[in-house]
Amino acid sequence: DAGITQSPRHKVTETGTPVTLRCHQTENHRYMYWYRQDPGHGLRLIHYSYGVKDTDKGEVSDGYSVSRSKTEDFLLTLESATSSQTSVYFCAIKGAENTEAFFGQGTRLTVV
Amino acid sequence: KQEVTQIPAALSVPEGENLVLNCSFTDSAIYNLQWFRQDPGKGLTSLLLIQSSQREQTSGRLNASLDKSSGRSTLYIAASQPGDSATYLCAAKEEYSGGGADGLTFGKGTHLIIQP
Repeated sequence: DAGITQSPRHKVTETGTPVTLRCHQTENHRYMYWYRQDPGHGLRLIHYSYGVKDTDKGEVSDGYSVSRSKTEDFLLTLESATSSQTSVYFCAIKGAENTEAFFGQGTRLTVV
Repeated sequence: KQEVTQIPAALSVPEGENLVLNCSFTDSAIYNLQWFRQDPGKGLTSLLLIQSSQREQTSGRLNASLDKSSGRSTLYIAASQPGDSATYLCAAKEEYSGGGADGLTFGKGTHLIIQP
C-alpha cells in the first residue's frame, strides 16, 4: 500500500464530540485528499491539500475542517460530530496532477 | 458538474469469461480517468490510469480504453478468475485551471462476482 497510513481504523464517538482523523504518508507526495464513502453516494471529496498549509474545500465540506502542517500529515477534524457523518473515510495522495491517486485503507467512523 | 455513471451496477459471470465494465462521464473535458478495485472492507487499489491523450492502457489481463468525445471508458477483463471478484470503480479527473488539484469524481461502481 503506497505508504499511506490512516488512524484510527475504527472509531465510535458520541454526537457533539470533536473527532480528528489522521492521514500519514511516506511518499513525499504534494497532493492529499479526504473522501467519504456512503452507500448510494459512492466516494465524495471532502477537502484536499496541494501543499503544506494549502487546502481547499471539496463537494461535501460542511462540518469538516482540515490542516496540513507537514508534507506527510493531513488531518481531518469533525468539530462536533453528527450522525450524518457516520461513514467510511478515505485518504488519498498524488504526486502530481496527472498521476495516479493512491488510497489508504480507510477509517470507519460511527457517530452514535 | 461532472457526473460519472457505471453500468451495470452488478455482474455475475462464470470463471473464464471475458467481460467489459462500462463507465460514462458527462463532461468530456477530463484530464485523466482512473480505474480502481475495492475489496469488501478495504481501500481502493489503483488498476489503470489513462491520460486524456491516450486511447488505452493495459496491465496484465486488464485493458482500459478511453473515448473522450463520447464520454466513455471501458475496462476489459480477460479470462476472469474468482480472485477478480470485487467492486470496480472508475473516476474522472477534470481539467482544472485554478492551479490547485481538485479531486476525482467517482462512479458508484460495478460489483463483480466471478463464479468458480
